[in-house]
Amino acid sequence: GDSVTQMEGPVTLSEEAFLTINCTYTATGYPSLFWYVQYPGEGLQLLLKATKADDKGSNKGFEATYRKETTSFHLEKGSVQVSDSAVYFCAPIWAGSYQLTFGKGTKLSVIP
Amino acid sequence: EAGVTQFPSHSVIEKGQTVTLRCDPISGHDNLYWYRRVMGKEIKFLLHFVKESKQDESGMPNNRFLAERTGGTYSTLKVQPAELEDSGVYFCASSRQGFGEAFFGQGTRLTVV
Repeated sequence: GDSVTQMEGPVTLSEEAFLTINCTYTATGYPSLFWYVQYPGEGLQLLLKATKADDKGSNKGFEATYRKETTSFHLEKGSVQVSDSAVYFCAPIWAGSYQLTFGKGTKLSVIP
Repeated sequence: EAGVTQFPSHSVIEKGQTVTLRCDPISGHDNLYWYRRVMGKEIKFLLHFVKESKQDESGMPNNRFLAERTGGTYSTLKVQPAELEDSGVYFCASSRQGFGEAFFGQGTRLTVV
């Protein structure tokens, strides 16, 4: 069945390091793809999205490209900051559904 | 614009008791969703309202869970009777359209002892 696999953490990086969080999905169709972020003490927030193949979502210096050939939507940031410390969730919405299907979440800690 | 608001933020109840969680969506958002995350597991979908109607309740775990949405505004999720495995964080989200960006509340942490 349809599923999402997200790189498990925790991930600890130094400030200004490069970040990649892997996300792959299996699906019979073409889902829309989302990354959500949960900062400490806050609710989930949409970080970026892509709705079709080759689309690139970007926000706050983060980017992710919808790769149909590898069924992936990896999250990247060139230079992380302490304020990026949070839990990141990859979450497809499968065609014909309104449900977000969340990955397990990746906790990122950025140290000065 | 006020965000999605959930009450209470924390609740500790004994097994067998009843708990009611409340969610106030963003004004004008017809779509309202409930999700939950139990310890160590993924965030899972529970159900979806469009206005006051249940569009999809395929994620509701059993008949101890009852969700309502009065007049298409706020929603409540009642657990009766609560069991230990119901412990977790319950999230509410709303969206203007049924597909796309959903705005989440901070969640209610439910602990059943």
